[in-house]
Amino acid sequence: KAGVTQTPRYLIKTRGQQVTLSCSPISGHRSVSWYQQTPGQGLQFLFEYFSETQRNKGNFPGRFSGRQFSNSRSEMNVSTLELGDSALYLCASSFLGLETQYFGPGTRLLVL
Amino acid sequence: AQTVTQSQPEMSVQEAETVTLSCTYDTSESNYYLFWYKQPPSRQMILVIRQEAYKQQNATENRFSVNFQKAAKSFSLKISDSQLGDTAMYFCAFMKPSNYGGSQGNLIFGKGTKLSVKP
Repeated sequence: KAGVTQTPRYLIKTRGQQVTLSCSPISGHRSVSWYQQTPGQGLQFLFEYFSETQRNKGNFPGRFSGRQFSNSRSEMNVSTLELGDSALYLCASSFLGLETQYFGPGTRLLVL
Repeated sequence: AQTVTQSQPEMSVQEAETVTLSCTYDTSESNYYLFWYKQPPSRQMILVIRQEAYKQQNATENRFSVNFQKAAKSFSLKISDSQLGDTAMYFCAFMKPSNYGGSQGNLIFGKGTKLSVKP
């Protein structure tokens, strides 16, 4: 069974731009969670989607948003990028969102 | 709110030796999951081991085992016969498996322990 995939793997943007990251979960998994990883803050939960609905959200500004499609693929969007948004963005999938999560390779975003 | 603490920012071990990574957590819940994830330099987060709080038996996966002390809220990871490929950041994580209260899909991570295995 294929693992979680994320595209693109690397991205360079400038301040003020917006960016969209994509995540395809393991086949059959309906829950997708997103995390931001930075050296200073560590791993922080962004949000979780299940059956195209956001069920849970972390403490991030409204510039961070996401959505999930009927095939469980998920996208996250960051608008009006700031330097502090430079991070590794990880997505993880699980069957119901209540058990073990399996992670993708991440998207490394650099904001200049 | 739940918190996870890893008190050892960095550790090193000689190849073939045993090392133990510490993790403590704070929660008022009685049912939850605990995890150890490994993140090698490639940055891919890999599940090492999982423990359900209601199970008294400590989980094991080949060379990896945990010492789960529920009353003490302690969850340490023991790596036996360390190998060079075990060099990585190790994260302890907590999750409350409830469909209520906004906990779905939310892993709470510690800050990590950087483990170096030396030849």
